Amino acid sequence: NAGVTQTPKFRILKIGQSMTLQCTQDMNHNYMYWYRQDPGMGLKLIYYSVGAGITDKGEVPNGYNVSRSTTEDFPLRLELAAPSQTSVYFCASSPSIQPRTSDSYEQYFGPGTRLTVT
Amino acid sequence: LAKTTQPISMDSYEGQEVNITCSHNNIATNDYITWYQQFPSQGPRFIIQGYKTKVTNEVASLFIPADRKSSTLSLPRVSLSDTAVYYCLVGYNFNKFYFGSGTKLNVKP
Repeated sequence: NAGVTQTPKFRILKIGQSMTLQCTQDMNHNYMYWYRQDPGMGLKLIYYSVGAGITDKGEVPNGYNVSRSTTEDFPLRLELAAPSQTSVYFCASSPSIQPRTSDSYEQYFGPGTRLTVT
Repeated sequence: LAKTTQPISMDSYEGQEVNITCSHNNIATNDYITWYQQFPSQGPRFIIQGYKTKVTNEVASLFIPADRKSSTLSLPRVSLSDTAVYYCLVGYNFNKFYFGSGTKLNVKP
């Protein structure tokens, strides 16, 4: 299993441009998440999905959009990029939205996409 | 979002046992406690999670007292490769977890 993969690894955008960050998982997980991490800080949830066709906002959704047409893919769309969106973006998936005292009930994170908006 | 308090940084030496304590005074009845490890330029990696008492796996132990207002991650015999940021999270759903700034563990030779 490749786990959670993200593309691209790095990207530089100009203010006002748009782009899509790709995320794919091959573990057949229903639950997927997008986070952003600013330097020296923890992760903040942008959007999450509980299954194909169902998405919901997290803590910081403004400026982003998501879609979930398949179980495997959960792309994140940035419209009209702004410098405040300069960050590292992580995608994650999990077999359940609830943790349990079992290692199988965990979130799996991708390697991240480093985005700079200038 | 249940918030947690943990030390900003800790130093240790190779071969020592490291204990990182996390305070979560407002933990709710249904909340679980989860710990992640993050290396620079990588996504967080799950270490361990539990609800009460003690949980142990091949890499760490998690101690949770009866009142569940704190928890301690124990890493036995750390090596240089354990240098990372460790996050303590509390919640009942992964979409409700709050990532603070974590504890930066520096393991010295």
